[in-house]
Order: sequence, then structure tokens, then C-alpha cells
Amino acid sequence: AQTVTQSQPEMSVQEAETVTLSCTYDTSESDYYLFWYKQPPSRQMILVIRQEAYKQQNATENRFSVNFQKAAKSFSLKISDSQLGDAAMYFCAYRPDSNYQLIWGAGTKLIIKP
Amino acid sequence: DSGVTQTPKHLITATGQRVTLRCSPRSGDLSVYWYQQSLDQGLQFLIQYYNGEERAKGNILERFSAQQFPDLHSELNLSSLELGDSALYFCASSAGTGGFYEQFFGPGTRLTVL
Repeated sequence: AQTVTQSQPEMSVQEAETVTLSCTYDTSESDYYLFWYKQPPSRQMILVIRQEAYKQQNATENRFSVNFQKAAKSFSLKISDSQLGDAAMYFCAYRPDSNYQLIWGAGTKLIIKP
Repeated sequence: DSGVTQTPKHLITATGQRVTLRCSPRSGDLSVYWYQQSLDQGLQFLIQYYNGEERAKGNILERFSAQQFPDLHSELNLSSLELGDSALYFCASSAGTGGFYEQFFGPGTRLTVL
């Protein structure tokens, strides 16, 4: 079965510091996509970053970057220079190329301390 | 603003009732996905339509049904409602089908079953 595991229900970080959110997944597929979504209190689901499994280079979007370890099936999100607006639930999601559905982790609540 | 609209924003109803949730995809997007976010089950994929045809089914109950109309808007029908159906229902759309295409999420419909 394809599953996504986020082992940290909650993380907190001081404003301007760096935090890493963990995600592991289980799959036998070779082609797939991985995503981090942010869900602020407004409940809107916002795509933060995506990674194609066939790409060895880790994706980066401004202060957000990932550490993609395909063999270990690990996909962590690093947020640098944390800002108050980063406070949200963060969901890791997986989508195989052979299927159309997103499979979600349970989420990590990120708290930013001013 | 993702460009995906969902109505209504909030819905409060009683057990045993039937409701219809509506989704309008981004202009030009042919694929529509429905997801359920509940406290006990987390985020789950329900169903996907592509250009009017059902493409994939996830953990959708038999009491639930959906369709996509010729103008590409989609409706999710929930019947014989139970307390456990209380959740946030998201619609997402993408330009095509398959893993490559990013899914853009609507703001969700919050359903409360009393």
C-alpha cells in the first residue's frame, strides 16, 4: 500500500530560525511526484513545493527547500528564516504517475515563536 | 486565489439529509478532484473527473456521488448524511490528467451534520 507518514504532529521554531519537517513514504512505483502543501487557518490548501522523483536535484522555492532521498523514501521540507506567516499545517503528499490521486500525510502543525 | 471556486462555503444540515456541493474549476482545466478532510480520517481522495468522465475513485462512500457537467463544473452529492460526514470538502482542478499536472485547490466547503 502507498502511504505517507509525517512523524511530527507539531513543531515550533523561533522566528528567523530554520526548521525541518519530516516525511517518509512507501511505494513500489518508480515514477511519482512529491509535494508539500501549506494549510493556514483560512483552510486554503496552498502548494509550497514539488519534487519529481526522476530529478536528482532537490527542489527549491525561495526560503523553502527539500531534501529528497529516493532510496530512503524520505522527503523533508526545510524552511529557512522562518516568518510568522509560515505558521500553518504542513502536509506532505505523494502522487504516482500511474494514478491521479494525492495520498496525504497526517500533517505537521508548525508554530512560529516571535 | 487559486481560481477554483466552491459553493457554498458553509453548510449545516441534519442527519439523513442530502446536500450538493458545487465546484467550478480554473478556466481551461479539464480535471476535477474531490477530497475530504476530516478530523479522524485526515485528507482523503474521493473521486476524479476528466472532461466529463469519471477517471479515478478513491475512498468514496456509496452514499456519495459526483458528476462533471459539459461546462466542466462538478457537483458532489452526499446523501443519507451521518454525523461522521462532517468535514471540509475540497475540490481541486488541473489542466490535464496524470501526475505531471499541478492540482489547484478551492477554498473548501465546510459541512456540519447535526
